[in-house]
Amino acid sequence: DVKVTQSSRYLVKRTGEKVFLECVQDMDHENMFWYRQDPGLGLRLIYFSYDVKMKEKGDIPEGYSVSREKKERFSLILESASTNQTSMYLCASSFVGASLSDEQFFGPGTRLTVL
Amino acid sequence: QKEVEQNSGPLSVPEGAIASLNCTYSDRGSQSFFWYRQYSGKSPELIMFIYSNGDKEDGRFTAQLNKASQYVSLLIRDSQPSDSATYLCAVIPVNTDKLIFGTGTRLQVFP
Repeated sequence: DVKVTQSSRYLVKRTGEKVFLECVQDMDHENMFWYRQDPGLGLRLIYFSYDVKMKEKGDIPEGYSVSREKKERFSLILESASTNQTSMYLCASSFVGASLSDEQFFGPGTRLTVL
Repeated sequence: QKEVEQNSGPLSVPEGAIASLNCTYSDRGSQSFFWYRQYSGKSPELIMFIYSNGDKEDGRFTAQLNKASQYVSLLIRDSQPSDSATYLCAVIPVNTDKLIFGTGTRLQVFP
């Protein structure tokens, strides 16, 4: 079974702190994604990566950066956390194959609260 | 106009009934369509995908796609209380690997 793990289920940080969210997948997937999920807004893509050291901005990259030094690990960085970054953060990964049905497998999520 | 639109619900159906969940999308060239289920406090999990016009059945679930109307739906037959969750419609627009999600429809199945 594909397994996507995230470093923390719950995290509380203070405004201005630097925050690292880690995601690891064990299925050798090329693609990895970071989303945030907010009530009424659904899942919104922050950043994604097609390969090691590759990154692409999603729909809401402002205030975030990412790092992908190894294929299995994709990190989301909040350089200076703000209260409007309080949210559920979901990591996902997918395999790039010939099929159009490239399912994204999600991690359990990290609920981040910024005080 | 949102790229993927869903009614937020809640949609309430009695146990044993058919639940019908609907989704419209704006990019006419979209190729792949997905339905994810998300239980409260959990992460989304894929139920079905479809990329050809028509119906696709998997157990109690049927996905229906109409590209001309830019409409995709999910039917759940013999609904069970365990089907109570939020159902997310997701679309991959043309020339991208990005999934665009709707805001989800909350389904409640009552005994």
